[in-house]
Amino acid sequence: TQLLEQSPQFLSIQEGENLTVYCNSSSVFSSLQWYRQEPGEGPVLLVTVVTGGEVKKLKRLTFQFGDARKDSSLHITAAQPGDTGLYLCAGLGEEYGNKLVFGAGTILRVKS
Amino acid sequence: DARVTQTPRDKVTEMGQEVTMRCQPILGHNTVFWYRQTMMQGLELLAYFRNRAPLDDSGMPKDRFSAEMPDATLATLKIQPSEPRDSAVYFCASGPHFYEQYFGPGTRLTVT
Repeated sequence: TQLLEQSPQFLSIQEGENLTVYCNSSSVFSSLQWYRQEPGEGPVLLVTVVTGGEVKKLKRLTFQFGDARKDSSLHITAAQPGDTGLYLCAGLGEEYGNKLVFGAGTILRVKS
Repeated sequence: DARVTQTPRDKVTEMGQEVTMRCQPILGHNTVFWYRQTMMQGLELLAYFRNRAPLDDSGMPKDRFSAEMPDATLATLKIQPSEPRDSAVYFCASGPHFYEQYFGPGTRLTVT
């Protein structure tokens, strides 16, 4: 059982569409991070959110941390083929010894 | 553009052989992590170091795995003897803090 549940597992969309991926847990995290991983490479940190309700924007990507700090979402506007990859959320919390706990990820494919 | 480097990038070996994976963390980063990624389990933390001292290796099978940092520029992960179930991509990450991690490109290990 994953401590962080990500949904959907797979998403295939057309260029220009919007999408949202989710990261949910029953545990409270002090912070939550989102990474993108491309084939043959390691994960790359996109953002860290630390305050309940916090919203951060990175160009076409919008990240939100839930008010209770148990969940997060990533919204991509007007997706492009370059957004294709594996999106991982990772939580940091005292319950897990202050080690990053990763979700299983969402595989996103954006078709041109 | 400082990056974490890992060698080898790919390793194919037979069951029972010793495998050594190497990582050069980013200069100045005092925290180093080893992760394993598989389709079934996702990204799992194996061990991490701060200032070259092992802080946590609870995610690592102790009987066959060992992780060391002989100096600040080199981290190693050894498997002896290797087994087919060890086949995975092994990532090294470094960071100035345990909540800010920069991943290397990974070593893809195949044990036949």
